[in-house]
Amino acid sequence: EAQVTQNPRYLITVTGKKLTVTCSQNMNHEYMSWYRQDPGLGLRQIYYSMNVEVTDKGDVPEGYKVSRKEKRNFPLILESPSPNQTSLYFCASSPLGDTGHGYTFGSGTRLTVV
Amino acid sequence: SQELEQSPQSLIVQEGKNLTINCTSSKTLYGLYWYKQKYGEGLIFLMMLQKGGEEKSHEKITAKLDEKKQQSSLHITASQPSHAGIYLCGADRDSGYALNFGKGTSLLVTP
Repeated sequence: EAQVTQNPRYLITVTGKKLTVTCSQNMNHEYMSWYRQDPGLGLRQIYYSMNVEVTDKGDVPEGYKVSRKEKRNFPLILESPSPNQTSLYFCASSPLGDTGHGYTFGSGTRLTVV
Repeated sequence: SQELEQSPQSLIVQEGKNLTINCTSSKTLYGLYWYKQKYGEGLIFLMMLQKGGEEKSHEKITAKLDEKKQQSSLHITASQPSHAGIYLCGADRDSGYALNFGKGTSLLVTP
């Protein structure tokens, strides 16, 4: 089944403890992206990647890092999480130049930083 | 930057009734996406519209993009409890490689 898989689904952590949220897609998509969703603010892009070793900042990149060493994986790294990073995170992917079938989103990771 | 405004913010309808959700853009839309989100879960792609006047249907859901490409509507015919959730419109940015999203319309369908 074609899908974007995020792990973990739920995570509670303490301020300052480094964490990684993994994202993997099995559709050979070039483009991958991370969004966060917050009440009243909607979905905002954090980082995106057009292909292996090519990443760029989205609208709210502060406090986050990403890497794209393999085409299928696009992990989101929080080096020193803070409570304002408590949010629902989504990874998405699509083929470059062909979004007629939409971006495929993962099921989400609900992160709580205490 | 482009803003997408959805209306209404929330909607409660009785099962079997029709309903419409609107998405208005502050700029011309190059690609307009409709997604459905179950509360706290992932986004499910419904359909994408690109051409002015375009209309697409999937089961009982129809989406249209107006001729001027600044507004889209999502119409559900004979609503069912399975239609409940949050409907989000998203638009390709001028620079591409990201979607701007509206804040969503929360739909509840009562028996």
